[in-house]
Formats: sequence, structure tokens, C-alpha cells
Amino acid sequence: DAGVTQSPTHLIKTRGQQVTLRCSPKSGHDTVSWYQQALGQGPQFIFQYYEEEERQRGNFPDRFSGHQFPNYSSELNVNALLLGDSALYLCASSRRRPGNTIYFGEGSWLTVV
Amino acid sequence: AQSVTQLDSQVPVFEEAPVELRCNYSSSVSVYLFWYVQYPNQGLQLLLKYLSGSTLVKGINGFEAEFNKSQTSFHLRKPSVHISDTAEYFCAVRAAGNKLTFGGGTRVLVKP
Repeated sequence: DAGVTQSPTHLIKTRGQQVTLRCSPKSGHDTVSWYQQALGQGPQFIFQYYEEEERQRGNFPDRFSGHQFPNYSSELNVNALLLGDSALYLCASSRRRPGNTIYFGEGSWLTVV
Repeated sequence: AQSVTQLDSQVPVFEEAPVELRCNYSSSVSVYLFWYVQYPNQGLQLLLKYLSGSTLVKGINGFEAEFNKSQTSFHLRKPSVHISDTAEYFCAVRAAGNKLTFGGGTRVLVKP
């Protein structure tokens, strides 16, 4: 049973460019969340998708957007990249019920130069 | 809103010695509590979770944590650490929905 898978694992972008990160949730999971983890810090919640709609959003600008597909996979898009967007982006999946375990992928390392 | 404070940013410890990582949280509603571990260049792995019931929770790799509601704490302990326990440890809380709020992390360095 594959866990949460993310792609790409590493990428380098230039300031002002746009990036798309992808996530496939663990089998049977219907809820996907994205987190940003800057170097030396804890992960920060970006947003959560369920039934193809954004359900919760953290304190991130509109440059950060997402999408969930009918097969529950998800994309994170970041427009107009800034140097400060350099971070590890983690995808997490779970079933909808509050007590269920949230599983994380290995992350996508984004470097903005 | 919830917040999590991990009181130690770094904890050096000798192999086979005990370790305690401290976590305090703030929330106006009931929360679920979690500890995750992150090995170098990897994602997060769940160590243990507290949902309800017994305040002493046992997790993987010999770790355990105790929930103290009056002190709003959820400290993580291991009686004897191994070199392989060198990693970053994150305490997290979850209230409504599936959103996790993390602390800043505690880096554990196990020395031989």
C-alpha cells in the first residue's frame, strides 16, 4: 500500500516564476492538506481540500492556490515566486473523521533563486 | 486559535540515557495532540497521538507521552535513546477539521 507520494522531490525556480507541486494521497484517504516548512521551522498549514473544494486556509496569500481532483489527488500552485517561498512543501492525507491519523509525504524541496 | 510551544530547540543526549522533550499548547477548545518525528531529508512520521482516555500514551520506537490538561502540556519521553533517534521532533495539536498546528521543533542529537 503506497503512502502519500509527492512530485517532484526537488526543484529550482527563478523569482517571479510559477510552480506546481503534485500529491497523491494514501489509498482510501479523501482529505488532502498542504504545509510549508521553512528551514529550521515547524510546518505551517497552507490549506486543505475535501470533495474537490478548499475547506480551510491558513495565513498564506492568494499567490498560493490549489486543486483537488476526483481521484483525490491534489496540486499546489504558487505564482509570482519570492525568495521567501523557498521551503519544503509537505502534502498530508487522511480520512475526513477528526481522530484519524494524518499521514505525510516526503515533501517537495523548492528553491527560489 | 491554537498555538504550540516546544521549550527546547535542541537537546543533546548520550546514547542509552533518557530524554524528555517538552511541549505546551494553548487552545480555547478541546484538542487532539500529536508527536511527529522527522529524520534528515524526510517527511513527518507519527510517533503517537492522544485523542481521549488514558493520559499516558505509548507510541512507536519506545516513545511515550503524558497529557496534562491542567498544565496544557504533552511532554514526550524515552527511557533509553539510540543513535538512530537523532532527528527533529514536532509536537502538534488539532482542533476542528484536520488542520495541524505545529511547534517549532526540537532537534535531538544522540551522542555515542
